[in-house]
Amino acid sequence: RKEVEQDPGPFNVPEGATVAFNCTYSNSASQSFFWYRQDCRKEPKLLMSVYSSGNEDGRFTAQLNRASQYISLLIRDSKLSDSATYLCVVNFPSGTYKYIFGTGTRLKVLA
Amino acid sequence: NAGVTQTPKFRVLKTGQSMTLLCAQDMNHEYMYWYRQDPGMGLRLIHYSVGEGTTAKGEVPDGYNVSRLKKQNFLLGLESAAPSQTSVYFCASSLQSDTQYFGPGTRLTVL
Repeated sequence: RKEVEQDPGPFNVPEGATVAFNCTYSNSASQSFFWYRQDCRKEPKLLMSVYSSGNEDGRFTAQLNRASQYISLLIRDSKLSDSATYLCVVNFPSGTYKYIFGTGTRLKVLA
Repeated sequence: NAGVTQTPKFRVLKTGQSMTLLCAQDMNHEYMYWYRQDPGMGLRLIHYSVGEGTTAKGEVPDGYNVSRLKKQNFLLGLESAAPSQTSVYFCASSLQSDTQYFGPGTRLTVL
């Protein structure tokens, strides 16, 4: 099993749709979780951190399920500008300062 | 603030040549990282540093060396380039083991 797994997609959705991505991780001791966004041929940029209680930022909601070892990202009212690759990032257990990146889920929002 | 910058942006090398990639950050971050990104593989950690004068191996360190002589700079060296090192290289920095800020990337082709 890969340490961090994501469905590569692409997810093709119409504007205004709601779309959700999941990311599973293998190390139950992982403590920090993030979603990054990467546009084509650009650097990754932080979209949001994922907290145990879940968090919301506008149209974006992130959830953590420790029991099943996955995190999720929900995007409501999709915009054309949301088209990108979404990377799931999980840290190694504390003290190692290492992060494992998923291969990303590609989203295309269609007009 | 420029954030994280990388030099050069593009480079073509012949097998066996050497080169150094420079990463600079002006955010006074302690932690710096070098990743490579290949299609279908996601970002993989090459080396990282948790402070000036310290370096450590990541997931794929073979064929690379690094130095962190100044807090703001993190250099990645290829002593004898191989075609397998054709990739996009990203540098990142973070204040602590949380949000990473990425540079724009260096596209390296080894012929």
